[in-house]
Amino acid sequence: ILNVEQSPQSLHVQEGDSTNFTCSFPSSNFYALHWYRWETAKSPEALFVMTLNGDEKKKGRISATLNTKEGYSYLYIKGSQPEDSATYLCALIDRGSTLGRLYFGRGTQLTVWP
Amino acid sequence: DTGVSQDPRHKITKRGQNVTFRCDPISEHNRLYWYRQTLGQGPEFLTYFQNEAQLEKSRLLSDRFSAERPKGSFSTLEIQRTEQGDSAMYLCASSLDRGFATNEKLFFGSGTQLSVL
Repeated sequence: ILNVEQSPQSLHVQEGDSTNFTCSFPSSNFYALHWYRWETAKSPEALFVMTLNGDEKKKGRISATLNTKEGYSYLYIKGSQPEDSATYLCALIDRGSTLGRLYFGRGTQLTVWP
Repeated sequence: DTGVSQDPRHKITKRGQNVTFRCDPISEHNRLYWYRQTLGQGPEFLTYFQNEAQLEKSRLLSDRFSAERPKGSFSTLEIQRTEQGDSAMYLCASSLDRGFATNEKLFFGSGTQLSVL
């Protein structure tokens, strides 16, 4: 079992603020790290899949970095908007398990106030 | 691409009853996954299929749980003799294995919310 920790558990920001969350994990012995966004009453939606140390991904105002040596990934949102309100989930595929098994953190719940 | 669909969206049942959920993945996706999320937790892996073959089952999947993907297309998850602890959101996801499975993102359905009274 791979222990994936996310912080903070919840976050409230004002529209226009920039914010970031952390995903930490104990080992660099994994295949890939995934970030998903899950809006209430909708399906979790993939944001990024990262595999290499130093990976940086960007999608509009959202970006992510991966540091496998120190065991963390950051997700950044620049200029938060109310539509960014969602739970952001981090998940890993561990080398010790089947490729089909993702280990998820508990998520960071983001609320952006207008 | 119509996305992953799950049916029903909500299910309320009495303890001891059997329930079955259905998942229709994206049509060309050969991998299909079931996850379960309970309150305050992240999604937990239950099982996954490569085409019609069930390749892995979590220890969470007790003898009361069974999953099938008979023709490598849709999948069903059945829970027999439901217990209150089975109350959760059951998520289905699919992906396309193009030989670089580690890079493939999952496409999730909206889930089936099960409440066992």
